[in-house]
Amino acid sequence: NAGVTQTPKFRILKIGQSMTLQCTQDMNHNYMYWYRQDPGMGLKLIYYSVGAGITDKGEVPNGYNVSRSTTEDFPLRLELAAPSQTSVYFCASSNWGVGGNQPQHFGDGTRLSIL
Amino acid sequence: EDKVVQSPLSLVVHEGDTVTLNCSYEVTNFRSLLWYKQEKKAPTFLFMLTSSGIEKKSGRLSSILDKKELFSILNITATQTGDSAIYLCAVEGGSEKLVFGKGTKLTVNP
Repeated sequence: NAGVTQTPKFRILKIGQSMTLQCTQDMNHNYMYWYRQDPGMGLKLIYYSVGAGITDKGEVPNGYNVSRSTTEDFPLRLELAAPSQTSVYFCASSNWGVGGNQPQHFGDGTRLSIL
Repeated sequence: EDKVVQSPLSLVVHEGDTVTLNCSYEVTNFRSLLWYKQEKKAPTFLFMLTSSGIEKKSGRLSSILDKKELFSILNITATQTGDSAIYLCAVEGGSEKLVFGKGTKLTVNP
């Protein structure tokens, strides 16, 4: 059982370049999330999705875009990379069950550097 | 605005010590509080505490939730070097989103 898979694991971008961080889950979870983690700052929510075709902004959405065309995939797009987007990005998924939202499962992260 | 505050931010102990990590929160329409352990990669789930489950225990780790005073503690007894990690506290409110604290970095020395 692969869980949540993120690719790539590492990437270096130049300022102004664009890229897509991939995230896929095989647990049939309806909820998916993108976070960024800066040193000493915990996890901040970028975007989330409660199901295919539905996305919403989190706490720090500026400079990012997402789409959710299938239950399994939730890619995160950076259109014009900026040094402030240097961070570790985590994708997570969860299910809404009896009693509410279940614990989120996280991927191993993508370490992104913008130079 | 929902807020989660963890303390201390950093802690260094010796193997065998007992540690208590703190998490206080302000959230609208509280649903649950979760504890995660983060070593080098992905956060891994430890406990989920809700109105119907305010105490959890797994081996040397235990956690309680005080909904009246709006805080939780994570206790680790007989610490081992493998307990060294960042411990994250997160709270889910009415928005269906988790709000994370900054984490407590625990270092257990042999």
